[in-house]
Amino acid sequence: DTGVSQDPRHKITKRGQNVTFRCDPISEHNRLYWYRQTLGQGPEFLTYFQNEAQLEKSRLLSDRFSAERPKGSFSTLEIQRTEQGDSAMYLCASSSAGLGAFFGQGTRLTVV
Amino acid sequence: GQQVMQIPQYQHVQEGEDFTTYCNSSTTLSNIQWYKQRPGGHPVFLIQLVKSGEVKKQKRLTFQFGEAKKNSSLHITATQTTDVGTYFCAGFNAGNNRKLIWGLGTSLAVNP
Repeated sequence: DTGVSQDPRHKITKRGQNVTFRCDPISEHNRLYWYRQTLGQGPEFLTYFQNEAQLEKSRLLSDRFSAERPKGSFSTLEIQRTEQGDSAMYLCASSSAGLGAFFGQGTRLTVV
Repeated sequence: GQQVMQIPQYQHVQEGEDFTTYCNSSTTLSNIQWYKQRPGGHPVFLIQLVKSGEVKKQKRLTFQFGEAKKNSSLHITATQTTDVGTYFCAGFNAGNNRKLIWGLGTSLAVNP
């Protein structure tokens, strides 16, 4: 499978716990995006990497959220001290410059 | 801040009827992308328009980019039940190709 893959697909966690999600983009894509989506809403931009550099980060992202792309390949998104409001689908997408983004199937986070 | 408005929010059609969704940006876009998201799925890239006044067709789908590069439309001729889903437009602000600005989507329901 040469598409964007995300792991895990589902995550249930207790409030206050830390969670980490992984995204493996399409190998030749140098751009990687993280989005958050709740029911009935469009994707909400979280952050953008070009290769290993994090070039854009949403102001909506609190300091509990951090993302890395250490070698310019896979990326991780960590949420510390989760809150119920963090429950959402977390989508990763990758692209090459000037082209459309290809999305993974997402990680559905439920904070109980 | 920049906004991308999309109308209508919802549309119900009978199978065989046509459907159009409109996207309007408060600022000039460098390009416009369209995505389709099936219920329970992830956004799937459909097309990108770059040139002022550009029109592209994919079978029964016709995409237009306005002359001022601030608006776009997606028209589906003779809808089928397989067209069900939410259609999102998204664009890069001219001068910032790091963050796609997304519309809220138009949800299309097709009655057989």
